[in-house]
Amino acid sequence: SQKIEQNSEALNIQEGKTATLTCNYTNYSPAYLQWYRQDPGRGPVFLLLIRENEKEKRKERLKVTFDTTLKQSLFHITASQPADSATYLCALDEGSYIPTFGRGTSLIVHP
Amino acid sequence: SAVISQKPSRDICQRGTSLTIQCQVDSQVTMMFWYRQQPGQSLTLIATANQGSEATYESGFVIDKFPISRPNLTFSTLTVSNMSPEDSSIYLCSVEVTGTGISGANVLTFGAGSRLTVL
Repeated sequence: SQKIEQNSEALNIQEGKTATLTCNYTNYSPAYLQWYRQDPGRGPVFLLLIRENEKEKRKERLKVTFDTTLKQSLFHITASQPADSATYLCALDEGSYIPTFGRGTSLIVHP
Repeated sequence: SAVISQKPSRDICQRGTSLTIQCQVDSQVTMMFWYRQQPGQSLTLIATANQGSEATYESGFVIDKFPISRPNLTFSTLTVSNMSPEDSSIYLCSVEVTGTGISGANVLTFGAGSRLTVL
């Protein structure tokens, strides 16, 4: 069956460190992998996406990698700040329809 | 990208009653999507609403329980009928983002959600 796995345990890190979140999947062939941020009481907000033929994508302090052999994406936030505390969702986009979401990982950045 | 307004933002309802959630978009869109997000769970697509046709429901969701209206290109409603505590969840409206410049990608924008608690 199809599965998207993100750590259900919250990731706690100190301010200034790099946060790394993982998204693993099985039985999908995504053309794109998307990352969203969700704050409490808000809907998810799109951050960035990476194509299947791209290894890495950057946007300011964010970096995403995509390994279609490992079926994994890593989402990095460098120089993390308390304001980065949120839940981060990965979403698999096979290109033919809207994406399917993982359950997200909560990131808590401690000052 | 489109701005989505949802209401109510939250509500507490009694078992057996129904609640209608409204979703207003500030631009015309072809498809609108309704999601459910249960505590600790992923976003689950309930149905896709196209203007002028019946909504398309995902496996596990039926029209009698979640009737949807789509009277025009900027508005939709989702009703949660005959509610039980298991329906306690956040319900989110979403539309595709246009103009991303990424051909073939399906990026979504969401409303703030409607948090429903059923007692």
